[in-house]
Amino acid sequence: GAGVSQSPRYKVAKRGQDVALRCDPISGHVSLFWYQQALGQGPEFLTYFQNEAQLDKSGLPSDRFFAERPEGSVSTLKIQRTQQEDSAVYLCASSLTIDRKQFFGPGTRLTVL
Amino acid sequence: SQQGEEDPQALSIQEGENATMNCSYKTSINNLQWYRQNSGRGLVHLILIRSNEREKHSGRLRVTLDTSKKSSSLLITASRAADTASYFCATAEPLGSGNTGKLIFGQGTTLQVKP
Repeated sequence: GAGVSQSPRYKVAKRGQDVALRCDPISGHVSLFWYQQALGQGPEFLTYFQNEAQLDKSGLPSDRFFAERPEGSVSTLKIQRTQQEDSAVYLCASSLTIDRKQFFGPGTRLTVL
Repeated sequence: SQQGEEDPQALSIQEGENATMNCSYKTSINNLQWYRQNSGRGLVHLILIRSNEREKHSGRLRVTLDTSKKSSSLLITASRAADTASYFCATAEPLGSGNTGKLIFGQGTTLQVKP
């Protein structure tokens, strides 16, 4: 079956631009997570959705970061006024419930010039 | 912030040898998971071990968990060149009290298996 998909796979933005990153989770998965992975580091948690409800956004680094999942399936991570330090791979993961294994998408590599 | 340490940071072995990677963490957990990441790719789930389990096997993988020492190890037996990748351990916090099951990752171990 289809796994988690993300688009675009690569995004280059000029500093100050807004970007939107899309995640299509596995159908029927209730839980959806966003992580940020800097070069050479492990992923770090950004935010969590249970269906359409954003229950944890404690990892979002600033108010320039915004995520939504309006119908409880597809999710979008938006970064406003991008900065160079936002350059990273953004990973989306979904799971059936919160205590099951998480399936990761291929990630979106964001480069801010 | 990262949950803990992975040891070693880098490991280079010959094909056919065993590879052992260790992970330590700081807080109570519901489960611990190991993931593999090939260069430029997403994370592939390898194995999940729950806090009440001590050892788990999956093919050539063996994972141990010692909650008293807050540590885990991943053993890959009879390694192959295709096992070359970065390996991450990740802990999930205990359920309840508003916890979401988010994963807290270590820094990773880079494994190179030479043919």
